[in-house]
Amino acid sequence: AQTVTQSQPEMSVQEAETVTLSCTYDTSESDYYLFWYKQPPSRQMILVIRQEAYKQQNATENRFSVNFQKAAKSFSLKISDSQLGDAAMYFCAYLNYGGSQGNLIFGKGTKLSVKP
Amino acid sequence: DADVTQTPRNRITKTGKRIMLECSQTKGHDRMYWYRQDPGLGLRLIYYSFDVKDINKGEISDGYSVSRQAQAKFSLSLESAIPNQTALYFCATSSAAANSGANVLTFGAGSRLTVL
Repeated sequence: AQTVTQSQPEMSVQEAETVTLSCTYDTSESDYYLFWYKQPPSRQMILVIRQEAYKQQNATENRFSVNFQKAAKSFSLKISDSQLGDAAMYFCAYLNYGGSQGNLIFGKGTKLSVKP
Repeated sequence: DADVTQTPRNRITKTGKRIMLECSQTKGHDRMYWYRQDPGLGLRLIYYSFDVKDINKGEISDGYSVSRQAQAKFSLSLESAIPNQTALYFCATSSAAANSGANVLTFGAGSRLTVL
């Protein structure tokens, strides 16, 4: 069974600085998707970024980028120029390609605080 | 209006009561999911449905049942609520269509259930 591990329960960053959130996963599959979701205090789950495993290029979305290391099964999220609105829970998630199981597997989350 | 609507947003009930959480979507997605979120545990899948005639158990289906009344509607029932079912419940949708948004989950705003 696939698992997703986020080893940092809490992180803190100064406004305008850069922070990296860690995520590792375990799978025997070769084709899959990886995601980072953000959950602010409003509790809404918001997609931050998505990576297809077959793509070697790391995904980027504005200030958010990932470091995808397929062999190491690592998928970290880098937030540049951190803003107060980035404060939230961040969840790493895994999905098998083809989605026959339909199950997006989540890590336990990292709570990010942003200091002004 | 939200793409994925959950009702109620908040509910307090007593042990032994029957509770239904409802979810409707306007995205035209074929796949729908119910997740449960507990502090420190991330999100865990309760049930998922790939179309109206397809219902599948997730990781933690015991004590829950679902009904897919239409492509756009997916309800979660607790036949006899117990205190350890106190949690935040999320409905989500996705499409298997082969486009840039394939397999990305869109979440509702969550339903917070408290069982006394």
